[in-house]
Parts: sequence; structure tokens; C-alpha cells
Amino acid sequence: DGGITQSPKYLFRKEGQNVTLSCEQNLNHDAMYWYRQDPGQGLRLIYYSQIVNDFQKGDIAEGYSVSREKKESFPLTVTSAQKNPTAFYLCASSFDRVVNQPQHFGDGTRLSIL
Amino acid sequence: KQEVTQIPAALSVPEGENLVLNCSFTDSAIYNLQWFRQDPGKGLTSLLLIQSSQREQTSGRLNASLDKSSGRSTLYIAASQPGDSATYLCAIPDTGRRALTFGSGTRLQVQP
Repeated sequence: DGGITQSPKYLFRKEGQNVTLSCEQNLNHDAMYWYRQDPGQGLRLIYYSQIVNDFQKGDIAEGYSVSREKKESFPLTVTSAQKNPTAFYLCASSFDRVVNQPQHFGDGTRLSIL
Repeated sequence: KQEVTQIPAALSVPEGENLVLNCSFTDSAIYNLQWFRQDPGKGLTSLLLIQSSQREQTSGRLNASLDKSSGRSTLYIAASQPGDSATYLCAIPDTGRRALTFGSGTRLQVQP
């Protein structure tokens, strides 16, 4: 089955620690996205990538980093510089060259501070 | 910058009612509008994508309408069921980045 796999489902971060969230897709999508969701709020864009080896900052990129070495994979690192990392993180993908195609989402990773 | 608003934030209805969820946006120059469903602790499931050239899109008991000139979309759910209980989000793609701008959602509870 085609889809987006995020892991782990739950993640705990200690003070000063960097943690990495995994996102893998087998939909052959060009574009991939990371969103952050806080309780009772919509999603906000952290980073996005429209092609391998290229990525751009979204609206709330500070304290986060990404890489896009393979088309299928777009890992997100939450660095120690992100002072309020507790949130639900969602990865998405879509065909970039086709406008009216929906974005598909993974099941999310819930990150908490220890 | 596009802003997306959803009202009400929460809605509770008895089973069997027809209901309407609202989504408004500030910039009418959109490619499309997408409606999602989110169950607690889960990711987003795409329900309907309505293109800017369309007025309506239907899937089963769901019907989404789009009025670009007034900056509004509605999601109509017919004969609601307890299994429809979830948060419903609308979103519009940024014309440059293709990333989505989301409303904050409507949390729906259908009482059996």
C-alpha cells in the first residue's frame, strides 16, 4: 500500500538534546512538508522540499533542521535551540508539478519534553 | 498573506442531523480548497478537494461548496453518525510554496 510513514509515534526529548523525526513516503511524490500542530490550532509549516537536495524554510523554521537526500525521505531534527518543542508533528507529501492534487499526511509524531 | 478561519470551533449535534461546517478565507486567488478529517491523536485524512473552477464536490454523505468571490467554503454532512465525530480542517495551498494554510478546525461531536 502506498502511503507516508512517520516514526516514532511518541518521542521524548531531554534538555539540550537534538531529536530526529522520520518521514518516509512511497507515493513517488516530489514535494514533502513538515507541519507542527499545537492543541486547538491548525497546522503551521516548518520546512518544505520540492525536489531532492533542496529545501526551504517555512513559517516557523527556527530551532529545526531538515535534509532531503532521497526522494522518499525527509527527516526533521528538532534541535536544542527549539525552546518549546512539545507539539504534534505531521509530515505530508504531494505531486509538486500538478496543482490540483491533494496533500497526503502521515499519522504524526507526538513530541514531549522530559 | 492568506488567512483561513473556521467557525464554529466546536459543534455537538444529535445523530441523524444534517450539518454545515464553515470555512472562510481572505485571498480569493486560490487553486483549490481541501477539507480534511482528523481523529484524536491521528494524522489528517483528505475528504474532498474542490478546485477553483468548481462550485461543488461530493463524496458520499459529504458535499463541499466553494464561493471564491465571497471567500467561503462549506462542508455539508448529511444524516450525521457518531462515527463522524472528529475535527474537520479546511486548507488552501500557497500559490508559491504549494504548502497548505490551515484553519484551526471545527471539532464535531455527534451524539448517539
